[in-house]
Order: sequence, then structure tokens, then C-alpha cells
Amino acid sequence: AQSVTQPDIHITVSEGASLELRCNYSYGATPYLFWYVQSPGQGLQLLLKYFSGDTLVQGIKGFEAEFKRSQSSFNLRKPSVHWSDAAEYFCAVGLNRDDKIIFGKGTRLHILP
Amino acid sequence: EAQVTQNPRYLITVTGKKLTVTCSQNMNHEYMSWYRQDPGLGLRQIYYSMNVEVTDKGDVPEGYKVSRKEKRNFPLILESPSPNQTSLYFCASMGPPEYEQYFGPGTRLTVT
Repeated sequence: AQSVTQPDIHITVSEGASLELRCNYSYGATPYLFWYVQSPGQGLQLLLKYFSGDTLVQGIKGFEAEFKRSQSSFNLRKPSVHWSDAAEYFCAVGLNRDDKIIFGKGTRLHILP
Repeated sequence: EAQVTQNPRYLITVTGKKLTVTCSQNMNHEYMSWYRQDPGLGLRQIYYSMNVEVTDKGDVPEGYKVSRKEKRNFPLILESPSPNQTSLYFCASMGPPEYEQYFGPGTRLTVT
């Protein structure tokens, strides 16, 4: 069965430091991949998605993610975090473009001033 | 403005009292879905709908009902709520051309 793993429940980084959030998936076919962000008390906002093509995907708010088929990973990166990036981040995977997606359990990002 | 709306945003109720959480989208999306979010468990899908009159169970459907009589609306019904249904609920819709899920603002439900 398909699954999504976010190995880190919490991550703390200093403001201005680089960030990488990990996401691994278990899927038989080439998946459709998403990263969502949830700020405290808010709904979910799409940061970026990968359907096909260039494996390095640019998103909003300065985020990017790289699809690595050999590692079944879709890690999220940002070169320099801002205090406003403190939130919970969810990786999600879908088998088809217009079908259900499965979410990881999330990684909560804390920013040190 | 493209959006998914949910009502109510907050609800406190008692065990066994039937309730409905409404969800509406203005993007003419065919796909709609309900999730619940619990600490440490991420988002789990309750029910989804591929189109009008087409619904199917997600991963945690027990204790919930849905209906899809119109494309824009996808209400979530709890016939006899129990305390283990205390959670944060999100409705989402998806369709072309973006094929990304748009989420509502969430409904925080407490069942005492």
C-alpha cells in the first residue's frame, strides 16, 4: 500500500539558516507529489507540486523541492528561513492527477531568532 | 476569488446530537474530499467524491456520512457524534487545470 513518511516530527533552525525537510514515499508508479504548509490556526496552502518534467520544482515563498526517483524522496528546501516560516509542513502523494492523495504526518518547523 | 468555505468554523456539541458541517466550492471542481486532522496523525481522508452522486470511503469513514447532490456542495454528516470524533475537519476540492487540492479554513469540532 502506498505511504508517505516524514521522518522528522519537529525541526528547529535559526532564522537565516538553510532548511531541508525530508519526505519519502512508497509507491509503485511515478507519483504526483505535493508540499503543503499550515500556519498556526490556518488551513493548508500549497507550496509546490511535481507532476512530471524537471525534477527540481520551484514553489511559493522561496521554497523548492527535488524529486529523486532512486531514493523515493521529495525533500523540501529553502536557502534562508524567515521567522514567518514557522509552521507545520505536510508532504502528500497521489497516484493519479485527479484522485485521492495521502498525507504524511507532518513536520513542525520552529525558528530561533 | 476561488475558495472553499466551511461552516461552522467552531462547534461544541454533545454525544449523540446529529450535526452537519457544510462545505461549498466555487471552482466547479468535480473532486471533493473531507479530512480530519489529529495531532501526530496528519490528515486522514474520511470520504471523497469524484462527481455528483458519486461518493466513496476514505481511510477513516466510520461514524460519518456524506452526500453530493450538487457539484458545489459536499456536506459532512455526523449522525451520532462521539467524543473520539473531536477533531479539526477540512474540506477540499480539486480539478483542472491545476489539479491541486484547495482547502477550506477548517472546522474545529468538540464532542463532549
